[in-house]
Amino acid sequence: GEDVEQSLFLSVREGDSSVINCTYTDSSSTYLYWYKQEPGAGLQLLTYIFSNMDMKQDQRLTVLLNKKDKHLSLRIADTQTGDSAIYFCAESRRADKLIFGTGTRLQVFP
Amino acid sequence: DGGITQSPKYLFRKEGQNVTLSCEQNLNHDAMYWYRQDPGQGLRLIYYSQIVNDFQKGDIAEGYSVSREKKESFPLTVTSAQKNPTAFYLCASTHGTVNTEAFFGQGTRLTVV
Repeated sequence: GEDVEQSLFLSVREGDSSVINCTYTDSSSTYLYWYKQEPGAGLQLLTYIFSNMDMKQDQRLTVLLNKKDKHLSLRIADTQTGDSAIYFCAESRRADKLIFGTGTRLQVFP
Repeated sequence: DGGITQSPKYLFRKEGQNVTLSCEQNLNHDAMYWYRQDPGQGLRLIYYSQIVNDFQKGDIAEGYSVSREKKESFPLTVTSAQKNPTAFYLCASTHGTVNTEAFFGQGTRLTVV
């Protein structure tokens, strides 16, 4: 199938780390992405990882890729209330399509 | 400033009517995409276009039509054949293939009344 799956909700306390998980199906995907969507708005690219990498760190964000299990995760360190949003993972497929996951709604409480 | 603009932000349609959603970009991007977003279902690809005068169906193209007469513009028509059109519609563009960042518009919320 073509599904990219994520859990729908995640709730964390401010200052804790958040880990958002994603599983994908196409082993030929060359890039995997994390996008953030604020309420009522479009998506913005947060970070991406090339398929031959295991990990990528960018300030508070850490992306881990387990290609064998087709599992991608996004860790947000020191989560803030401004991080509350929907997070989508996406994979590029055949270089002409972006397939998005179902999105994970992250809620950060004080 | 370069960007991608969708209009209108909110759109109401009577049952049986066709409506057209606008998407314009001044990023000089070759590829453009239309997605539909429903709660709990993420983004589903409706149509995409890699070059002018060419486009391909995505996963849920039935009841929709598009055109790509200009590089900057990729309008989406929601026809009366679309049985459940109420949703949030997002337009995106990329430079060349998808192995680059996708830029999104702010979306159009379509409601059937």
